[in-house]
Amino acid sequence: KQEVTQIPAALSVPEGENLVLNCSFTDSAIYNLQWFRQDPGKGLTSLLLIQSSQREQTSGRLNASLDKSSGRSTLYIAASQPGDSATYLCAVTGYFNKFYFGSGTKLNVKP
Amino acid sequence: ETGVTQSPTHLIKTRGQQVTLRCSSQSGHNTVSWYQQALGQGPQFIFQYYREEENGRGNFPPRFSGLQFPNYSSELNVNALELDDSALYLCASSLQGASGNTIYFGEGSWLTVV
Repeated sequence: KQEVTQIPAALSVPEGENLVLNCSFTDSAIYNLQWFRQDPGKGLTSLLLIQSSQREQTSGRLNASLDKSSGRSTLYIAASQPGDSATYLCAVTGYFNKFYFGSGTKLNVKP
Repeated sequence: ETGVTQSPTHLIKTRGQQVTLRCSSQSGHNTVSWYQQALGQGPQFIFQYYREEENGRGNFPPRFSGLQFPNYSSELNVNALELDDSALYLCASSLQGASGNTIYFGEGSWLTVV
């Protein structure tokens, strides 16, 4: 059974710092990996999608990498801002678009 | 705005009751999946519907059931509610059943069982 782990569970940083969120998964037979953002009491917003054949994806200040063989992904956030405060969820996709989610990293960026 | 709408947004039910949650998919999407997210946890896959048939199910008991309608909207029904069913229920829609397609989540329905 696929298990997804995210480290750290919570992170508090001052504004402007570069930071790295980690995600690991136990079964490397995935179709893709996706990073989501979730604001309190809200649904999920997709940030980056990395296909299993890709190594990384970038969108603005966000960069996500994927090492399928080692079962790891990282989300890099450059020059963090208070508006980045949210929970970040990593999910790997299995057959039929079924997502396996980690428990998330709760990020707080202090002004 | 993802185009996926869920109702109701919040509801409170008593243990043993039944609940129906509704989801309207993104226009053109023919696949809908449901997830349960307990407080402080990541979402857990409940099941998925493709063209009105269930084509994948997570580790949830049969009292969790669903429907998908010809217009691709969907319902999640939970019978004999238990306290542990209290959670955010998320609906997600996508096009086709193939992996790798963009998926859109709704804002969720908060269910509290007392």
